[in-house]
Amino acid sequence: DIQMTQSPSSLSASVGDRVTITCRASQDISSWLAWYQQKLGKAPKLLIYAASHLQSGVPSRFSGSGSGTDFTLTISSLQPEDFATYYCQQTNSFPFNFGPGTKVDI
Amino acid sequence: QVQLQESGPGMVKPSQTLSLTCTVSGGSISSTDYYWSWIRQTPGKGLEWIGYIYHSGRAFYNPSLKSRGSISVDTSKNQFSLNLTSVTAADTAVYYCARDPRDGYNTDWGQGTLVTVSS
Repeated sequence: DIQMTQSPSSLSASVGDRVTITCRASQDISSWLAWYQQKLGKAPKLLIYAASHLQSGVPSRFSGSGSGTDFTLTISSLQPEDFATYYCQQTNSFPFNFGPGTKVDI
Repeated sequence: QVQLQESGPGMVKPSQTLSLTCTVSGGSISSTDYYWSWIRQTPGKGLEWIGYIYHSGRAFYNPSLKSRGSISVDTSKNQFSLNLTSVTAADTAVYYCARDPRDGYNTDWGQGTLVTVSS
């Protein structure tokens, strides 16, 4: 199985901050990576797929980059509605494992 | 816009079978463009991909289930289902059904249903 790690596990930020979250795969997954946002009590919401492709309807302040084993999710200017937990998921091979999450709070 | 809704018992006894159904509306489960997924979330293990099924009935599973899981599809009802046998407390989780555009990620999710395994 491909294992996913994320750093940091949590971070504190302010509205307007640039936020970067890192995801690392235990082996090369090319660009087969997705990012999700989850708010308390809600289902995850897809933000980015194929490492850098913005899902329809997602604000352009979200961006993804990386390939191989190292990936980054960036929020260019944090908004109040962005305080949530963010997960990466590898979609290269079964099982499609998720990272442990990064909680973004104030 | 497609909507997914999980249904099933909120509590299951240890060693019994957990059975959940996902009803799809606003889209056809017979579409060749999608797989239909089950994902669960626990405080301890986080998000776990359980498996997915194609409209043809071909399914793929997470080996961590150790062959306890099975996913089926009922195209006449526009539903797909999850059965998980021999459950233990470790299977207590919020279970989500979701739609996968055949690339492994999930674009649309149900609201999730909490299943507690307890005697």
